[in-house]
Amino acid sequence: DIVLTQSPGTLSLSPGERATLSCRASQSVTGNFLAWYQQKPGQAPRLLIYGVAGRATGIPDRFSGSGSGTEFTLTINRLEPEDFAVYYCQQYGSSPPISFGPGTRVDLK
Amino acid sequence: QLQLQESGPGLVKPSETLSLNCTVFHDSIRSSHYYWVWVRQAPGKGLEWIGTVYNSGDTKYNPSLKSRVTISIDPSKNHFSLRLRSVIVADTAVYYCARCDTSYWYGLDYWGQGKLVTVSS
Repeated sequence: DIVLTQSPGTLSLSPGERATLSCRASQSVTGNFLAWYQQKPGQAPRLLIYGVAGRATGIPDRFSGSGSGTEFTLTINRLEPEDFAVYYCQQYGSSPPISFGPGTRVDLK
Repeated sequence: QLQLQESGPGLVKPSETLSLNCTVFHDSIRSSHYYWVWVRQAPGKGLEWIGTVYNSGDTKYNPSLKSRVTISIDPSKNHFSLRLRSVIVADTAVYYCARCDTSYWYGLDYWGQGKLVTVSS
């Protein structure tokens, strides 16, 4: 089974700074089916990135994804106040079909 | 725009069955491009995949819940359902339904608002 780990657990930054979030898989992610979500308190997750680097509809270009195999990165350039949230990576594969990482919280410094 | 709406009881007693429906609005649940997913989130915790149903009716479940979970789809009502048997307090969570879009490389592109289900006597 593929297990996703995310680091750091919490990232404390100021508006305007760059956030770099890491997602590591225990084995290679099938077909680069790796997505990132943003979740704010009391809200459902929102799809940001699909297929490692594709931006979902309406997602600003300050959000970008990269990586391959077992190492993936979500970068948020020039943090805006609304970007402070929890971010999850998610893989789609065969075993299990879907799994999520434990999340990275981006906090206001 | 597509909307998903969870419905069902917000309080379930231990050992009983949790039942939720997810109704899809403004699109058909029959499309072969989509899979339909249940995800839950315990208070203060991360996201946990529960299971997926395909428009064929085939299902896949999280192994940790497989013995207690049934997910089904009803195209005539444009909804899919979750049943979780023999619930315990640890099943208390916000339950989300979501659409998995194969054209979005299997990303979950639409989510319901979530339904808090509390397991308590």
